[in-house]
Amino acid sequence: DIQMTQSPSSLSASVGDRVTITCRASQSISSYLNWYQQRPGKAPKLLIYAASSLQSGVPSRFSGSGSGTDFTLTISGLQPGDFAAYYCQQSYTTPHSFGQGTKLEIK
Amino acid sequence: EVQLLESGGGLVQPGGSLRLSCAASGFTFSSHVMSWVRQAPGKGLEWVSGISGSGGSTYYADSVKGRFTISRDNSKNTVYLQINSLRVEDTAVYYCARRTAVTWAYFDYWGQGTLVTVSS
Repeated sequence: DIQMTQSPSSLSASVGDRVTITCRASQSISSYLNWYQQRPGKAPKLLIYAASSLQSGVPSRFSGSGSGTDFTLTISGLQPGDFAAYYCQQSYTTPHSFGQGTKLEIK
Repeated sequence: EVQLLESGGGLVQPGGSLRLSCAASGFTFSSHVMSWVRQAPGKGLEWVSGISGSGGSTYYADSVKGRFTISRDNSKNTVYLQINSLRVEDTAVYYCARRTAVTWAYFDYWGQGTLVTVSS
């Protein structure tokens, strides 16, 4: 099975900041990497698919990059609603494993 | 509008069983792989199981293989998760999710989740 490792596990930032979350796969997954945002008590929401493609309706301050084993999610100009948990997920093969998550908190 | 509505969660004793349902609407159900993803209290997301559009192929996480069974009824636009031999560690919110019908597989729609609590 492919293991997904995110870092950091938690992150404190201020409104307007730029933050980067990284995700590493235990083997190459090409660009089969997705990012989700989850607010407390809510279902996950797709942000980025295929490593760098922005899901329709998602603000352009969210961006993704990477291929192979190393990926990043960048949020530029943090807004109050962005303080949430973020998960990467590989869809290269089943099981479609998730990273352990990154909790983004307000500083 | 795409909608996924889970039901069937509840409180069950260890060793018990439950059947979760996810009723879908607003899209061609049989064209999409459907999956179940769970989240234990205060923990991260765990992919649990998936089923092809026809129902002919099923996939499971090692942690649930042999205890969980995924199925679907395309005439009712519903996917099911039969959970047997429940363990305390199966306590979680269970989400159903639609996988896109394109090359890049991702979950573009999620239900609101149904809570399964396993406790004596």
